[in-house]
This record gives sequence, C-alpha cells and structure tokens, in this order.
Amino acid sequence: KNEVEQSPQNLTAQEGEFITINCSYSVGISALHWLQQHPGGGIVSLFMLSSGKKKHGRLIATINIQEKHSSLHITASHPRDSAVYICAATFGNEKLTFGTGTRLTIIP
Amino acid sequence: EPEVTQTPSHQVTQMGQEVILRCVPISNHLYFYWYRQILGQKVEFLVSFYNNEISEKSEIFDDQFSVERPDGSNFTLKIRSTKLEDSAMYFCASSDPHKGSTEAFFGQGTRLTVV
Repeated sequence: KNEVEQSPQNLTAQEGEFITINCSYSVGISALHWLQQHPGGGIVSLFMLSSGKKKHGRLIATINIQEKHSSLHITASHPRDSAVYICAATFGNEKLTFGTGTRLTIIP
Repeated sequence: EPEVTQTPSHQVTQMGQEVILRCVPISNHLYFYWYRQILGQKVEFLVSFYNNEISEKSEIFDDQFSVERPDGSNFTLKIRSTKLEDSAMYFCASSDPHKGSTEAFFGQGTRLTVV
C-alpha cells in the first residue's frame, strides 16, 4: 500500500531555531513533494524532488532514496513560517498521496 | 504567475441538494485533479482527469460525484445529493507531466458546508 508518514504532528519552536520535519514513504515513488498549507486553507507547493537536495531561501529539502526518507529544514525560523507543512508523494502515477501534515508554530 | 482559481471560496448547502464546484486550471496544463480535506484530516485524492476522461478515481468518488470539462477552461466537480459527511475543503489542482514534472499547482480551495 502506498503510504506517507510524517513527524512530528505538531512542532513549536522559538524564532530563530532550526526546524526539521521528517517524512517517510513506502517503495516506488516517482517524486516527493513538500507543500505548505496556510491558516486559510490554501496549499502552495514548496519543493518537488526525486533525489538529492533542493534549497529555496531559508528552506531546504533533502531526500534519501535508499532509506525512503525526506526532510524539510527551515533555517532562522520566523513567525511567518507558522503553517502546516505537508509531505506528499507520487507513486508512479500523477496523483499525490498526502501525509498527515506537521503544524509548525514559531513563537516570537 | 499562472494560477489555479476556484469558485466559490465558500458554499453552504442543504443536505440532499446538488452542488457544483468550479475550477479554472492553468491554461497549458493537461492533468486535472480534485482532492478533499475533511476538517482535521489529511488531504485525500478524489479523481484525476486527462484527455477529457477520468484517468483514476478513489473509493470516495462514488456515483454521487462527477467531473466535467465543459469548455476549454473550466473543470467542475458535481456532487448530486450532498450528505453531511461531504462537508470539507475541496481543492482543484493541475499539472503538466509532459514537461517532465509531476508538480501540481493547487487552487485556494472551496470550503463546502452541508447543513
């Protein structure tokens, strides 16, 4: 069964801290996606990767194919980073299979 | 920047009524999707649409649901007879895998409340 697991479910940190959110998945993905869901509900794609590492500003996404694991890192976290971060995967077809999300709260 | 647009942003309907949720995907995209998110739960796949037909659907997408691309720009999700448990946020998405990318672009969602 195609599954995506995320941890932690909730994460609270002080402004400036380095944040790591983890994602593990079952075999056979064609791509791993990191998405951000704002309090109003809208979903924004942050990264799509199938190998290695990608960086955009203070956000870094990595994937280890052998260990079936991906991480999303946020450096120098800021209150505006507070959101739900979702890991999702495509398993050979085009649809996304979603993880449960990580609710991140950054305290000033 | 091109974006997926959804209307309405919020719809309240009586149980048993029909609703149509509308989406305008990114114009040169070829794959279209509907997902839903029940409050407090993860996002779930409903249906994918390619080349004017359903390419895949989930168990959730039963006979009460249908999708249509009535013209070159709109992509609609119809729920024939709404139930209380259809209350959720519905997301439309589109992608263009022929560019070698499965990246999906999401609309802002339609919050459906069935009363």
